[in-house]
Amino acid sequence: EVQLLESGGGLVQPGGSLRLSCAASGFSFMNSAMSWVRQSPGKGLEWVSAISPDGFRSYYADSVRGRFTISRDNSKNTLHLQINGLRVDDTAIYYCAKEGTQIKGPWVEYWGQGTLVTVSS
Amino acid sequence: QSVLTQPPSVSGAPGQSVTISCTGSSSNIGAGYDVHWYQQLPGTAPKVLIYYNTNRPSGVPDRFSVSNSGTSVSLAITGLQADDEADYYCQSHDGSPNGWVFGGGTKLTVL
Repeated sequence: EVQLLESGGGLVQPGGSLRLSCAASGFSFMNSAMSWVRQSPGKGLEWVSAISPDGFRSYYADSVRGRFTISRDNSKNTLHLQINGLRVDDTAIYYCAKEGTQIKGPWVEYWGQGTLVTVSS
Repeated sequence: QSVLTQPPSVSGAPGQSVTISCTGSSSNIGAGYDVHWYQQLPGTAPKVLIYYNTNRPSGVPDRFSVSNSGTSVSLAITGLQADDEADYYCQSHDGSPNGWVFGGGTKLTVL
């Protein structure tokens, strides 16, 4: 059974930092592209960042580029998202996502349960 | 403003059918990129409902189906049931390295 367990969310002041983690199990993590997708309260889904299976390629939404850094540790089956310079509009549930095999574009095959990041003074 | 356009809400009585449209452009759906659908039940994480345009994961009934037309796709749900009440999102890509695109989501209410 695929499991994605996020951690690291919490309440942080504007300008602060957080490191989100996602512990993966039940599939070949080292062979899977991974993403983070967020959902602001009462809003829709927004893709945030993705990383290739080997960790050498990473991609970011324009809204977070330069502030967020995605990384992975394939030896520990763990995905991370370092979030710096947090803004109020970064408040959201952050979902860890295992991507499915791409044919014509990426997609999310499995979602974690999410971790809530609240940015407020 | 989402790149893919969905109606904010749809509703139907049990047993009836509804459709949810997802309209993109020549940069994403019209360019041939796959469209995927996710179902988000109240208070839970999304889960994949339809992938590679028309494929259903095991456990998803054939009451859920998709049709497409150029730059739009439509999710049809027949024989509405109370536990179909959820938010539905379409997702595609526009070919750029950060080109994930989502619809704004549609809230389905079963009357």
